Amino acid sequence: DGGITQSPKYLFRKEGQNVTLSCEQNLNHDAMYWYRQDPGQGLRLIYYSQIVNDFQKGDIAEGYSVSREKKESFPLTVTSAQKNPTAFYLCASWGTGYGYTFGSGTRLTVV
Amino acid sequence: GQQVMQIPQYQHVQEGEDFTTYCNSSTTLSNIQWYKQRPGGHPVFLIQLVKSGEVKKQKRLTFQFGEAKKNSSLHITATQTTDVGTYFCAVSYNQGGKLIFGQGTELSVKP
Repeated sequence: DGGITQSPKYLFRKEGQNVTLSCEQNLNHDAMYWYRQDPGQGLRLIYYSQIVNDFQKGDIAEGYSVSREKKESFPLTVTSAQKNPTAFYLCASWGTGYGYTFGSGTRLTVV
Repeated sequence: GQQVMQIPQYQHVQEGEDFTTYCNSSTTLSNIQWYKQRPGGHPVFLIQLVKSGEVKKQKRLTFQFGEAKKNSSLHITATQTTDVGTYFCAVSYNQGGKLIFGQGTELSVKP
């Protein structure tokens, strides 16, 4: 079955550490997105990529970085510069004609 | 930045009652999508509306797009406990543009 795989499901980060969240899709979608979800705040766009080797900042890109070296993969790095990284992170992809397909998410907690 | 207002934030209903959530934009929309997120889960695409005045139905769910393409609603008739979750609208201001999500409406259904 086609879909999006996010890993890990749960991640714990120490203060000052960088961590990378994985997002892989086998839907052959060109566009991929990273959202952050906090309680009561909906989904906020961090970064998006519409084609390989290209990506754009979303509304809350500070403290995050991404790469898009392959069509299937769009990893997100949460850097130590992100002051409040504890959140639920969702990766999504989009193909023409339908809505976004989301992965099952990664819950990141700072310890 | 461009924002979309979704109301209400919470709705508690008795099973069998109807439920409606509204999404409003100050700017004309290219299209609007609706998603459902079950507790602990990820958003799942429900439907996309593109045309002015469009009405679409999925069983007990009715989706409407305003004539001016600035607002939309999702109505559930005779709610069931399986309807529990958060319903998000997501808007795009230009064809192929990024989606901006509303804050979501959390629905709880008392059996």
